[in-house]
Amino acid sequence: EPEVTQTPSHQVTQMGQEVILRCVPISNHLYFYWYRQILGQKVEFLVSFYNNEISEKSEIFDDQFSVERPDGSNFTLKIRSTKLEDSAMYFCASSVNRRGYTFGSGTRLTVV
Amino acid sequence: SQQGEEDPQALSIQEGENATMNCSYKTSINNLQWYRQNSGRGLVHLILIRSNEREKHSGRLRVTLDTSKKSSSLLITASRAADTASYFCATDNNNDMRFGAGTRLTVKP
Repeated sequence: EPEVTQTPSHQVTQMGQEVILRCVPISNHLYFYWYRQILGQKVEFLVSFYNNEISEKSEIFDDQFSVERPDGSNFTLKIRSTKLEDSAMYFCASSVNRRGYTFGSGTRLTVV
Repeated sequence: SQQGEEDPQALSIQEGENATMNCSYKTSINNLQWYRQNSGRGLVHLILIRSNEREKHSGRLRVTLDTSKKSSSLLITASRAADTASYFCATDNNNDMRFGAGTRLTVKP
């Protein structure tokens, strides 16, 4: 069964450093998403991406965040100058028609 | 916000019992989805119910949707210890999907 693949599974970074979280969506999917989940809390929407541009973003997705689909297969989330409160599980998802998203297993980001 | 809100926040039952989790939301939706998350792991899509559907079944799962009350329920019948997980409802209204806080289900063997 097709999967959404996220790498790395766990990343530890120093506060103030930049991180790039990588995702390979399912190949025929057109819609891509990032969500995050702070430990013990709910899953929060960050951003959606379609046709090579952001279609919607939440208030969490401020100027320190950016997304890119650099080569037609990868979908990346960049966090510039990480803060302690960015520590969370980050989930990538993709969808062929915006119904029934497929999620990756997540990247656990720990900012120290 | 149109995020779903689940209740109860936590539910503990014995193996073999049924588990019912509820979700309420605030605005009109295209569909509502239920996801499962094992501790610290990814989200697994369980079932999608469209706004014009009232009930849907998948194996031991039964989902209902009442758009007039803006609520949904997820019933897991004959629960098993392996059903222990967090369950989230997520609403889709033409833009993007938003999640509720989840119900933590514990099934004791």
